Amino acid sequence: ETGVTQTPRHLVMGMTNKKSLKCEQHLGHNAMYWYKQSAKKPLELMFVYNFKEQTENNSVPSRFSPECPNSSHLFLHLHTLQPEDSALYLCASSQRTTYSTDTQYFGPGTRLTVL
Amino acid sequence: AQKITQTQPGMFVQEKEAVTLDCTYDTSDPSYGLFWYKQPSSGEMIFLIYQGSYDQQNATEGRYSLNFQKARKSANLVISASQLGDSAMYFCAMSENAGGTSYGKLTFGQGTILTVHP
Repeated sequence: ETGVTQTPRHLVMGMTNKKSLKCEQHLGHNAMYWYKQSAKKPLELMFVYNFKEQTENNSVPSRFSPECPNSSHLFLHLHTLQPEDSALYLCASSQRTTYSTDTQYFGPGTRLTVL
Repeated sequence: AQKITQTQPGMFVQEKEAVTLDCTYDTSDPSYGLFWYKQPSSGEMIFLIYQGSYDQQNATEGRYSLNFQKARKSANLVISASQLGDSAMYFCAMSENAGGTSYGKLTFGQGTILTVHP
């Protein structure tokens, strides 16, 4: 595997389900990110982890719970979601968050549908 | 005010011709980075090119070049010799320190859909 991978690629869940999205980066990076991309809206940053520590929570509802056990893996745990949470969820990684040159590399995304 | 503005919802270009995608930005931070990403219909965001606020020369990466006009706060993407595979959504994005210690917050524009005609 190379780059940033995400599983599953597609997910359909009911509002009462609990599911998790997984992201893994094979780039040796130290920072990882979750973004949400809804139709007709710009990408929204959700969470940032730098060296496994959460450094940014962009006022995300508590029904989204991130977990970063190490610098290579990032999870997004989902519970009691709403239909408006249906979106493409993108994971990204970068070497660090120290410099403006720290380019973020993205995974293919998980397309989530909440029924 | 929006930090990143892409005023062209859609653009069309003939194969083998050049096309310019517009991006203007707003920041008071002297140190920032500007990025362009391509998003095909598959969904993955593909990094294309980076320009730093202190870079004296315009960035180039193969067929991609960034026309950086700092005083006008614009960072237009130029794609030369367009190919059918260039058809995708293109996003301009900015990272800024904003007086803090982290450049981790990347702000994206609304995107421009580029369609390349044969």
